[in-house]
Amino acid sequence: EVQLVESGGGLVQPGGSLRLSCAASGFTFSGYWMSWVRQAPGKGLEWVANIKTEGNEKHHADSVKDRFTISRDNAKNSLFLQMNSLGAEDTAVYYCVRGGWHCDYWGQGTLVTVSS
Amino acid sequence: DIQMTQSPSSLSASVGDRITITCRASQGISNYLAWFQQKPGKAPKSLIYAASSLQSGVPSRFSGSGSGTDFTLTISSLQPEDFATYYCQQYSGYPRTFGQGTKVEVK
Repeated sequence: EVQLVESGGGLVQPGGSLRLSCAASGFTFSGYWMSWVRQAPGKGLEWVANIKTEGNEKHHADSVKDRFTISRDNAKNSLFLQMNSLGAEDTAVYYCVRGGWHCDYWGQGTLVTVSS
Repeated sequence: DIQMTQSPSSLSASVGDRITITCRASQGISNYLAWFQQKPGKAPKSLIYAASSLQSGVPSRFSGSGSGTDFTLTISSLQPEDFATYYCQQYSGYPRTFGQGTKVEVK
C-alpha cells in the first residue's frame, strides 16, 4: 500500500524557516518524480514544486522560487521541502504527492501556519 | 502560465443525477489533464489522468473527455459519497496549474 506521511509543519514567525519531510513507503520511491502541493485555508490547490527521480531536475513555482527548495533522499525514501523567509501567504496545508506529471497518491498533509 | 478555468464554480444536484464539470485551458495542453476529488478536511484523491484514463479503483460512473483546451468530467449517476469539490490540473507545462474547483452540493 502506498503511504506518504508528511511531518515538520507547525507555527512559525514571519521571516522564519521550516523544513517539511515526507516519508514514503509501499512503492519504489527512487522510480518516481515527487511533488509538493499546498492549500491555503478555504482556498484551492496550488502546485509548489516537483523533483525528478534522481534529484537532478527540480521545478518550483514562482511564488516560492528562491525561498523554498525541494530535495529528496532516495536511500531513506524521503522527500523534503526547505522553506525560508516565510510569510503569511505561505500559511497552508502542504501535501506530499507521488508523481511529477500524473499525480496519483497524496499524503494527508501537514499544516504550516505563519504568524507572529 | 497556463490558466485553468472550471465551470460551474458550484452546482446543486440530487442522487442519481448525471452531472458534467467543464475545464478550459488558456492554451492547448494535449491530453495532459487530471481530475481530483476532495472532501472537507481530506487530501485530494486522483480520479482521472491523461484526460480520460480512470485511476485504478475509481468507480466507472466517473469519466473524463477532451483534448487541447476543453475538457469535461462526468459523473453518470451521482452517489451520496460524490458530494465534494472537484479540481482539474494541467501537467503540460510549468508551473503546473489547477482550476479553481467546482463544489458539488446536495440539492
